[in-house]
Amino acid sequence: EDKVVQSPLSLVVHEGDTVTLNCSYEVTNFRSLLWYKQEKKAPTFLFMLTSSGIEKKSGRLSSILDKKELFSILNITATQTGDSAIYLCAVIHSFGAQKLVFGQGTRLTINP
Amino acid sequence: DAGVTQSPTHLIKTRGQQVTLRCSPKSGHDTVSWYQQALGQGPQFIFQYYEEEERQRGNFPDRFSGHQFPNYSSELNVNALLLGDSALYLCASSFRGAGANVLTFGAGSRLTVL
Repeated sequence: EDKVVQSPLSLVVHEGDTVTLNCSYEVTNFRSLLWYKQEKKAPTFLFMLTSSGIEKKSGRLSSILDKKELFSILNITATQTGDSAIYLCAVIHSFGAQKLVFGQGTRLTINP
Repeated sequence: DAGVTQSPTHLIKTRGQQVTLRCSPKSGHDTVSWYQQALGQGPQFIFQYYEEEERQRGNFPDRFSGHQFPNYSSELNVNALLLGDSALYLCASSFRGAGANVLTFGAGSRLTVL
Protein backbone atom coordinates (compact mmCIF):
# COMPACT_ATOMS: atom_id res chain seq x y z
CA GLU A 1 0.00 0.00 0.00
CA ASP A 2 1.29 3.46 -0.91
CA LYS A 3 2.36 5.49 2.09
CA VAL A 4 3.44 9.09 2.71
CA VAL A 5 4.61 10.12 6.19
CA GLN A 6 5.31 13.68 7.24
CA SER A 7 7.18 14.88 10.29
CA PRO A 8 6.86 16.62 12.56
CA LEU A 9 3.05 16.67 12.74
CA SER A 10 3.15 20.02 14.50
CA LEU A 11 5.80 22.70 14.88
CA VAL A 12 5.79 26.04 16.70
CA VAL A 13 8.63 28.51 16.12
CA HIS A 14 9.33 32.22 16.43
CA GLU A 15 9.29 34.66 13.55
CA GLY A 16 12.67 34.74 11.84
CA ASP A 17 13.52 31.10 12.59
CA THR A 18 14.34 28.57 9.86
CA VAL A 19 12.27 25.40 9.68
CA THR A 20 12.68 22.07 7.90
CA LEU A 21 9.68 19.88 7.17
CA ASN A 22 10.14 16.23 6.26
CA CYS A 23 8.30 13.86 3.95
CA SER A 24 9.11 10.19 3.39
CA TYR A 25 7.28 7.91 0.99
CA GLU A 26 6.79 4.33 -0.13
CA VAL A 27 5.09 4.35 -3.52
CA THR A 28 5.10 1.97 -6.45
CA ASN A 29 6.06 3.52 -9.78
CA PHE A 30 6.93 6.89 -8.28
CA ARG A 31 6.64 9.82 -10.67
CA SER A 32 6.68 13.08 -8.74
CA LEU A 33 6.40 14.57 -5.26
CA LEU A 34 4.45 17.74 -4.63
CA TRP A 35 4.25 20.20 -1.76
CA TYR A 36 1.10 22.19 -0.99
CA LYS A 37 0.32 24.93 1.55
CA GLN A 38 -3.13 24.86 3.16
CA GLU A 39 -4.01 28.01 5.07
CA LYS A 40 -7.75 27.82 5.45
CA LYS A 41 -9.27 25.37 3.03
CA ALA A 42 -7.87 25.19 -0.52
CA PRO A 43 -4.37 23.69 -0.74
CA THR A 44 -2.17 25.88 -2.93
CA PHE A 45 0.70 24.46 -4.98
CA LEU A 46 4.28 25.15 -3.89
CA PHE A 47 6.63 22.75 -5.67
CA MET A 48 6.74 19.67 -7.84
CA LEU A 49 9.89 17.53 -7.65
CA THR A 50 10.67 14.79 -10.12
CA SER A 51 14.45 14.53 -10.24
CA SER A 52 16.68 13.69 -7.34
CA GLY A 53 19.11 16.27 -5.98
CA ILE A 54 17.77 19.30 -7.83
CA GLU A 55 16.66 22.06 -5.48
CA LYS A 56 13.52 23.99 -6.28
CA LYS A 57 13.42 27.50 -4.83
CA SER A 58 10.79 30.20 -4.50
CA GLY A 59 11.68 33.16 -2.34
CA ARG A 60 12.29 31.95 1.20
CA LEU A 61 11.01 28.44 0.41
CA SER A 62 13.07 25.64 -1.06
CA SER A 63 12.67 21.91 -1.49
CA ILE A 64 14.73 18.94 -2.59
CA LEU A 65 14.04 15.29 -3.36
CA ASP A 66 16.15 12.22 -2.61
CA LYS A 67 14.84 9.31 -4.70
CA LYS A 68 17.39 6.88 -3.30
CA GLU A 69 16.40 7.43 0.32
CA LEU A 70 12.73 8.13 -0.61
CA PHE A 71 12.28 11.46 1.10
CA SER A 72 11.92 15.17 0.53
CA ILE A 73 12.43 18.24 2.70
CA LEU A 74 10.82 21.65 2.57
CA ASN A 75 12.85 24.51 4.04
CA ILE A 76 11.50 27.90 5.01
CA THR A 77 14.02 30.55 6.03
CA ALA A 78 13.35 33.81 7.90
CA THR A 79 9.83 32.64 8.74
CA GLN A 80 6.95 35.12 8.94
CA THR A 81 3.56 34.86 10.63
CA GLY A 82 2.01 34.47 7.17
CA ASP A 83 3.85 31.16 6.81
CA SER A 84 1.57 29.68 9.47
CA ALA A 85 -0.36 26.91 7.70
CA ILE A 86 -0.60 23.18 7.16
CA TYR A 87 2.03 21.94 4.73
CA LEU A 88 1.01 18.88 2.75
CA CYS A 89 3.29 16.49 0.90
CA ALA A 90 1.84 14.28 -1.86
CA VAL A 91 3.18 11.77 -4.36
CA ILE A 92 1.90 10.73 -7.76
CA HIS A 93 2.34 7.51 -9.71
CA SER A 94 3.90 7.07 -13.12
CA PHE A 95 0.69 5.62 -14.40
CA GLY A 96 -2.93 6.17 -13.59
CA ALA A 97 -5.21 9.11 -13.59
CA GLN A 98 -3.30 11.80 -11.67
CA LYS A 99 -4.19 10.41 -8.27
CA LEU A 100 -2.33 12.09 -5.40
CA VAL A 101 -1.46 10.24 -2.20
CA PHE A 102 -1.11 12.76 0.63
CA GLY A 103 0.66 12.65 3.94
CA GLN A 104 -1.13 13.78 7.08
CA GLY A 105 0.41 17.23 6.93
CA THR A 106 2.61 19.35 9.21
CA ARG A 107 0.87 22.16 11.10
CA LEU A 108 3.35 25.06 11.29
CA THR A 109 2.70 27.95 13.67
CA ILE A 110 4.89 31.05 13.56
CA ASN A 111 4.69 33.22 16.68
CA PRO A 112 5.63 36.92 16.46
CA ASP B 1 -10.18 33.87 -14.48
CA ALA B 2 -12.23 31.90 -11.97
CA GLY B 3 -10.47 29.07 -10.26
CA VAL B 4 -12.21 25.96 -8.98
CA THR B 5 -15.55 26.80 -7.39
CA GLN B 6 -17.44 24.53 -5.02
CA SER B 7 -20.88 24.67 -3.47
CA PRO B 8 -22.19 24.69 -0.87
CA THR B 9 -19.39 25.91 1.39
CA HIS B 10 -20.95 24.46 4.54
CA LEU B 11 -23.79 22.09 5.19
CA ILE B 12 -25.20 20.04 8.03
CA LYS B 13 -26.96 16.72 7.55
CA THR B 14 -28.20 13.95 9.81
CA ARG B 15 -27.25 10.29 9.69
CA GLY B 16 -28.94 8.37 6.89
CA GLN B 17 -29.53 11.40 4.69
CA GLN B 18 -28.08 11.96 1.26
CA VAL B 19 -25.93 14.90 0.09
CA THR B 20 -24.83 16.34 -3.26
CA LEU B 21 -21.77 18.55 -3.58
CA ARG B 22 -20.95 20.51 -6.72
CA CYS B 23 -17.76 21.59 -8.44
CA SER B 24 -16.92 23.80 -11.42
CA PRO B 25 -13.36 23.31 -12.68
CA LYS B 26 -10.92 26.03 -13.55
CA SER B 27 -11.32 27.41 -17.06
CA GLY B 28 -9.46 25.20 -19.54
CA HIS B 29 -9.43 22.16 -17.28
CA ASP B 30 -11.24 18.96 -18.27
CA THR B 31 -10.52 16.58 -15.39
CA VAL B 32 -12.08 16.69 -11.93
CA SER B 33 -10.93 14.80 -8.84
CA TRP B 34 -12.60 14.61 -5.44
CA TYR B 35 -10.80 14.30 -2.10
CA GLN B 36 -12.04 13.84 1.46
CA GLN B 37 -10.09 15.56 4.24
CA ALA B 38 -11.02 14.56 7.78
CA LEU B 39 -10.00 16.87 10.61
CA GLY B 40 -6.27 16.69 11.26
CA GLN B 41 -5.61 14.45 8.26
CA GLY B 42 -4.35 14.87 4.73
CA PRO B 43 -6.78 14.66 1.79
CA GLN B 44 -7.75 11.17 0.61
CA PHE B 45 -8.55 10.46 -3.03
CA ILE B 46 -12.17 9.49 -3.68
CA PHE B 47 -12.36 9.34 -7.48
CA GLN B 48 -11.58 11.17 -10.70
CA TYR B 49 -13.73 12.03 -13.73
CA TYR B 50 -12.62 12.63 -17.27
CA GLU B 51 -14.77 12.64 -20.42
CA GLU B 52 -17.81 12.12 -18.19
CA GLU B 53 -16.54 8.78 -16.91
CA GLU B 54 -15.06 7.67 -13.61
CA ARG B 55 -11.42 6.90 -14.44
CA GLN B 56 -9.97 5.89 -11.10
CA ARG B 57 -11.37 5.28 -7.65
CA GLY B 58 -9.89 5.31 -4.18
CA ASN B 59 -10.82 3.10 -1.25
CA PHE B 60 -14.32 4.46 -0.69
CA PRO B 61 -17.60 2.51 -0.52
CA ASP B 62 -20.28 2.58 -3.18
CA ARG B 63 -22.22 5.10 -1.09
CA PHE B 64 -19.91 7.62 -2.71
CA SER B 65 -20.79 8.26 -6.34
CA GLY B 66 -20.20 11.00 -8.82
CA HIS B 67 -20.95 12.47 -12.16
CA GLN B 68 -19.30 14.73 -14.70
CA PHE B 69 -21.31 16.87 -17.08
CA PRO B 70 -20.46 17.88 -20.68
CA ASN B 71 -19.28 21.30 -19.44
CA TYR B 72 -16.74 19.45 -17.21
CA SER B 73 -18.47 20.37 -13.95
CA SER B 74 -18.95 17.56 -11.48
CA GLU B 75 -21.08 16.36 -8.58
CA LEU B 76 -20.22 14.16 -5.63
CA ASN B 77 -23.10 12.25 -4.05
CA VAL B 78 -22.97 10.49 -0.71
CA ASN B 79 -25.87 8.26 0.35
CA ALA B 80 -26.80 6.91 3.78
CA LEU B 81 -24.57 9.40 5.59
CA LEU B 82 -22.54 8.23 8.57
CA LEU B 83 -21.01 10.33 11.33
CA GLY B 84 -17.60 9.44 9.90
CA ASP B 85 -18.45 11.17 6.62
CA SER B 86 -18.03 14.52 8.38
CA ALA B 87 -15.11 16.14 6.58
CA LEU B 88 -13.95 18.82 4.16
CA TYR B 89 -14.63 17.65 0.60
CA LEU B 90 -12.16 19.12 -1.86
CA CYS B 91 -12.56 19.25 -5.61
CA ALA B 92 -9.46 19.59 -7.77
CA SER B 93 -9.23 20.16 -11.51
CA SER B 94 -6.49 19.67 -14.07
CA PHE B 95 -5.94 19.43 -17.81
CA ARG B 96 -5.35 15.82 -18.67
CA GLY B 97 -4.11 16.47 -22.18
CA ALA B 98 -1.06 18.32 -20.93
CA GLY B 99 -0.17 15.45 -18.64
CA ALA B 100 -0.20 17.95 -15.82
CA ASN B 101 0.35 16.65 -12.33
CA VAL B 102 -0.45 19.96 -10.71
CA LEU B 103 -4.00 20.07 -9.49
CA THR B 104 -5.87 23.28 -8.72
CA PHE B 105 -8.00 22.86 -5.61
CA GLY B 106 -11.25 24.53 -4.66
CA ALA B 107 -11.97 25.86 -1.18
CA GLY B 108 -14.02 22.80 -0.34
CA SER B 109 -17.41 21.94 1.09
CA ARG B 110 -17.48 21.38 4.85
CA LEU B 111 -19.94 18.59 5.63
CA THR B 112 -21.08 17.95 9.19
CA VAL B 113 -23.15 14.83 9.88
CA LEU B 114 -25.08 14.82 13.16
